[in-house]
Amino acid sequence: DADVTQTPRNRITKTGKRIMLECSQTKGHDRMYWYRQDPGLGLRLIYYSFDVKDINKGEISDGYSVSRQAQAKFSLSLESAIPNQTALYFCATEEGQGSTGELFFGEGSRLTVL
Amino acid sequence: GEDVEQSLFLSVREGDSSVINCTYTDSSSTYLYWYKQEPGAGLQLLTYIFSNMDMKQDQRLTVLLNKKDKHLSLRIADTQTGDSAIYFCAENPPYNTDKLIFGTGTRLQVFP
Repeated sequence: DADVTQTPRNRITKTGKRIMLECSQTKGHDRMYWYRQDPGLGLRLIYYSFDVKDINKGEISDGYSVSRQAQAKFSLSLESAIPNQTALYFCATEEGQGSTGELFFGEGSRLTVL
Repeated sequence: GEDVEQSLFLSVREGDSSVINCTYTDSSSTYLYWYKQEPGAGLQLLTYIFSNMDMKQDQRLTVLLNKKDKHLSLRIADTQTGDSAIYFCAENPPYNTDKLIFGTGTRLQVFP
């Protein structure tokens, strides 16, 4: 089983709908991240959390929200999806302070907003 | 510039060497990383180099770091079709509280 699991893997939705992408990890890491990947733009950070009570905005947080329900779970919500949120979304974990900074990624959630 | 820059595409013949280049933003970044993304998968760490090193070799991979020019490169010797993927460089500048900043990714295509 994958250490970092994302659901759903693929989703097609309509403009204005609420969408939640879920991420769970079995690595026991404190830090979790949500990125989006767009062709030619690389990965851009949406939100991150260094611990259950900690939520921080990344460079492109507008239109998104997150919830860190437990150490192992970090969900990303789009309250009212719009077409330019069509992208591949990745969850990642990191061990935390003192690590080399290596991120462990899920397999991605492809979201299409019509 | 403010972005971590990479060229978007590289095409090489099987058996040749590949060199993927990256220009990063902050010479005080502690680690520089290369991640590999295979089709349909998430990113996986390929290798990293500590900032006080000039070179790191790991089997077919050689990482070169030029801190003065903020230039990082990844050389893959004897490139195989299984090396076809997108390669991302990343840095962890202190001003960004050690969060990684990724480049745009270089798509490496290996042809027979």
